[in-house]
Amino acid sequence: KAGVTQTPRYLIKTRGQQVTLSCSPISGHRSVSWYQQTPGQGLQFLFEYFSETQRNKGNFPGRFSGRQFSNSRSEMNVSTLELGDSALYLCASSVDTYNSPLHFGNGTRLTVT
Amino acid sequence: QQQVKQSPQSLIVQKGGISIINCAYENTAFDYFPWYQQFPGKGPALLIAIRPDVSEKKEGRFTISFNKSAKQFSLHIMDSQPGDSATYFCAASLTNTGNQFYFGTGTSLTVIP
Repeated sequence: KAGVTQTPRYLIKTRGQQVTLSCSPISGHRSVSWYQQTPGQGLQFLFEYFSETQRNKGNFPGRFSGRQFSNSRSEMNVSTLELGDSALYLCASSVDTYNSPLHFGNGTRLTVT
Repeated sequence: QQQVKQSPQSLIVQKGGISIINCAYENTAFDYFPWYQQFPGKGPALLIAIRPDVSEKKEGRFTISFNKSAKQFSLHIMDSQPGDSATYFCAASLTNTGNQFYFGTGTSLTVIP
């Protein structure tokens, strides 16, 4: 079974631009979550989607948004990029709704210059 | 406010030794506590998890010890091997918040041959 696939692996953007990251979950997984990973901060929860609906949202500004499609694939968008948005963005999928193990992709490394 | 505090930040252990990583949490409603292992360039992978109705769980060389009254849990890696060198994250979640996990800041483990 294929794992969680995130594209692209690396992105370099300029301040003020916007970016879209993509995530394909494991087949059969309906929950997709996004996390931001930075050195010293660990993994910070961005949001979770289940059956195309945002179920939870972390404490991030409105510049961060996402969506989920009917095939469970998800995209995350960051508008008006700031230098502080440079991070590894991880997508995770899970098969069930509550307290199911998260299966992470290898992330998209975003660098904002 | 960091809901899950992890220590130490880094750890160096001799091959064959015991590695111990500690986590403390704030919210007594947390009811699922997983540990993740992350290698460079990869996403975190579930290592072992525990629920608060159990004080200890063992899987191979990995053991979680859980102290509900102290709001602490720890990961013990017995007979540590160089291949265990990775970053370890503890996490906690609430059943009624779906798949929103709160992660510790990570421990970089180096096992010296």
